[in-house]
Amino acid sequence: DAKTTQPNSMESNEEEPVHLPCNHSTISGTDYIHWYRQLPSQGPEYVIHGLTSNVNNRMASLAIAEDRKSSTLILHRATLRDAAVYYCILRGFRYSSASKIIFGSGTRLSIRP
Amino acid sequence: GAGVSQSPSNKVTEKGKDVELRCDPISGHTALYWYRQSLGQGLEFLIYFQGNSAPDKSGLPSDRFSAERTGGSVSTLTIQRTQQEDSAVYLCASSGRDRGGRMSDEQFFGPGTRLTVL
Repeated sequence: DAKTTQPNSMESNEEEPVHLPCNHSTISGTDYIHWYRQLPSQGPEYVIHGLTSNVNNRMASLAIAEDRKSSTLILHRATLRDAAVYYCILRGFRYSSASKIIFGSGTRLSIRP
Repeated sequence: GAGVSQSPSNKVTEKGKDVELRCDPISGHTALYWYRQSLGQGLEFLIYFQGNSAPDKSGLPSDRFSAERTGGSVSTLTIQRTQQEDSAVYLCASSGRDRGGRMSDEQFFGPGTRLTVL
């Protein structure tokens, strides 16, 4: 199964951009790259996803390498509320088997005021 | 409510007892997922329901674990003869059409059930 690798932890300053890396060297051509985050004592929440092109939404941007073997979640201006564990996961085509959903241990992001 | 709800929020049980955990997905969502999260760990996929298709049970750790989804809505995760290693937060998520009517893979998670096996 395709797996993702993320740093265990990162720190950033409030109001500065944050770049969270994810390696997925065994990604298949049909895998979408999804990012979720989990705030303390809450269930995960969706952040963004993409396939090949870079994606932007109100929460973040997703930069995907040309070979798709890595991606970077970009928080343009971190706030204290962005302190969370960020998970990068791969997901096959819609309705396909879910057995490839592997959340891993994610990156714990701390924000310094 | 508009979100995914789970009950109970906390469950303490004795080793060897059976437990049932309930998930109410967002109305109209056809996909429902169960995960578990041990302390300080990432999410471990357990089982996936999609519409009327046979569920993907590939993540269930043993035959003590089972789940059903009645009427394509509410789901129950049952753990028989609980063991201490079953202690974890059990999370349910659902996905379906977005507000524009398009099918979406975005999973909406419930608050989880914290299971403690003594």
